[in-house]
Amino acid sequence: GQQLNQSPQSMFIQEGEDVSMNCTSSSIFNTWLWYKQDPGEGPVLLIALYKAGELTSNGRLTAQFGITRKDSFLNISASIPSDVGIYFCAGQNLGGSEKLVFGKGTKLTVNP
Amino acid sequence: ETGVTQTPRHLVMGMTNKKSLKCEQHLGHNAMYWYKQSAKKPLELMFVYSLEERVENNSVPSRFSPECPNSSHLFLHLHTLQPEDSALYLCASSQDWTYYEQYFGPGTRLTVT
Repeated sequence: GQQLNQSPQSMFIQEGEDVSMNCTSSSIFNTWLWYKQDPGEGPVLLIALYKAGELTSNGRLTAQFGITRKDSFLNISASIPSDVGIYFCAGQNLGGSEKLVFGKGTKLTVNP
Repeated sequence: ETGVTQTPRHLVMGMTNKKSLKCEQHLGHNAMYWYKQSAKKPLELMFVYSLEERVENNSVPSRFSPECPNSSHLFLHLHTLQPEDSALYLCASSQDWTYYEQYFGPGTRLTVT
């Protein structure tokens, strides 16, 4: 079935650093979503993207819908300890089934 | 209560037990979902309900039986599970089943012994 490649798998950074992670697909997507999951909780929707080239911010988070429609990026600026968690990308591919496809996640650790 | 709630948060059951997971959404959405989350694997969609009708059953074994009595409530009935069914079970809802912004509950951590 359709798969998303999310990288990196994990990141260890210092507080205050910027973070960048991405998600790629072998097929064209028409929707990209980014979620964050804290330990013991469900994923929380951070940003939704619907147009190629779209750049959307949510506080210190910025996500972009790649111009090729096959990738998306999430950037976190000036990281803080509460940014710790697992970040998931999800997407719906053009011409595919209605269901969302999820990446395996990027685990972020922020050292104070 | 706001958002999507799930009970219980933790469940330990033997392979011969019967138990149920409950999900309730307070968002006025028409679609509800069950996902399975296992370590090192992407979220796996199990079932989709739209206006109380099942619109997708993702080749899930019959030992998992969903029920959607109304658009705000979703159950997952469990019986004769296997240890490999141990996982975090997440419920989600969205405005309708073709609307991709899904909102998740906190999950039920299930352990099958």
